[in-house]
Parts: sequence; structure tokens; C-alpha cells
Amino acid sequence: AQSVTQPDIHITVSEGASLELRCNYSYGATPYLFWYVQSPGQGLQLLLKYFSGDTLVQGIKGFEAEFKRSQSSFNLRKPSVHWSDAAEYFCAVGLYNNNDMRFGAGTRLTVKP
Amino acid sequence: GAGVSQSPRYKVAKRGQDVALRCDPISGHVSLFWYQQALGQGPEFLTYFQNEAQLDKSGLPSDRFFAERPEGSVSTLKIQRTQQEDSAVYLCASSLNGKYEQYFGPGTRLTVT
Repeated sequence: AQSVTQPDIHITVSEGASLELRCNYSYGATPYLFWYVQSPGQGLQLLLKYFSGDTLVQGIKGFEAEFKRSQSSFNLRKPSVHWSDAAEYFCAVGLYNNNDMRFGAGTRLTVKP
Repeated sequence: GAGVSQSPRYKVAKRGQDVALRCDPISGHVSLFWYQQALGQGPEFLTYFQNEAQLDKSGLPSDRFFAERPEGSVSTLKIQRTQQEDSAVYLCASSLNGKYEQYFGPGTRLTVT
């Protein structure tokens, strides 16, 4: 069955530390891949997307993600986390286009001072 | 420019009442999506419009859920005879067309008592 998995429900990192949030998908073809961030009471904001081409994509707020076809993964990274990065992060996948986008369950990020 | 707006932001309904949730997409955006986000979960796809045509309603959980976009801009999600399991945040998103990223509104939090 098609699915999007975010293995980590909750991650805590210290401010200034590096961050990696994991995302794995199970689809028959290479999908369109997205990372969104959601702050409490807010809608989702797009951090970055991968449609094709260079497998390392840069996004807003200093985030990047790398598509690895062999591992069916699209992990999100940031070299130095800021307190304002505390939020819920969602990986999303669209097959063929993004009219049928499916989301993972999310990873909640807590940043320690 | 203005983003996606949704109203009301919060709605409390007694079980059995009908509710109507409104979405104003970004001007000029052809595609419009509705998602349901239960507490602690990622958004789940409900339905999709291309202009005024509802092209996919496979995610609507029951025939109590109905969505329309009669003039290809504003959309309304209606839930009849609300049940407690309908309590969730309802997110609306729009995109320029099906090939591009979706922009999300802040959501409507529905609580059914």
C-alpha cells in the first residue's frame, strides 16, 4: 500500500545543534516530495519541494533535504537549529502531480535552550 | 499578496447540527483542496477542485460531507448531522494549478459536543 512514514513522533535537540528529520515513502514510482512546517494554531508552510533534478534541495529558513531513491527517503536537515524552529514538521508525497498529496503523521520538534 | 483564508477559525457544534466552513483561495489559483487533520495526525485529503469542477472526492468520509465551489473561487465544505468523530481541524489549500505546491490556510477547528 502507498504510504508516507515519519518514524520519529517527537525529537528534542539543543539550540545550535544539527537536525535531521526522517521521511520514508512507499510508492511505485518516484513521487513529488514536500516538507511542510506547522506552528501551533497555524496552517502549513512549505519549506521545500522536490520534483526532479538535483536530489539535494534547498528550502527556506536554512533547511535542506536530500532525495535518495535507493532508500525511498527524503530526510530534512538543518545544520544549526534555532529556538524558533520548534514546530510540527510534515513530510508529504504526491504521485504524478500534487493533486493527490499524502502526508506523514508528523514529527514534533522541541528545541532546548 | 493575500494568502488562503478560512472562516470561521473556530466552530463549536452540537451533535446533529449542520456546519458550513468557508475557504477563500489565493486569487487566480485554479486548484483547491480540503483536508481533515485530526489531533496529533497529519492532514488527510478530502476533496479536490479544478475551477468549479470537483475532480476527486474520494477522501470524503461519508455522505454527510459535501463540498462545492460554484464559481471556481470560494469553496464551502458542509457537514450535515455532525458527529463527535468529525471534530478536527479542516484545512483548505490552493495551488496555481495541479503541478505546483499547495498553499494552506490557517484552518477551521471544529469541535462537536
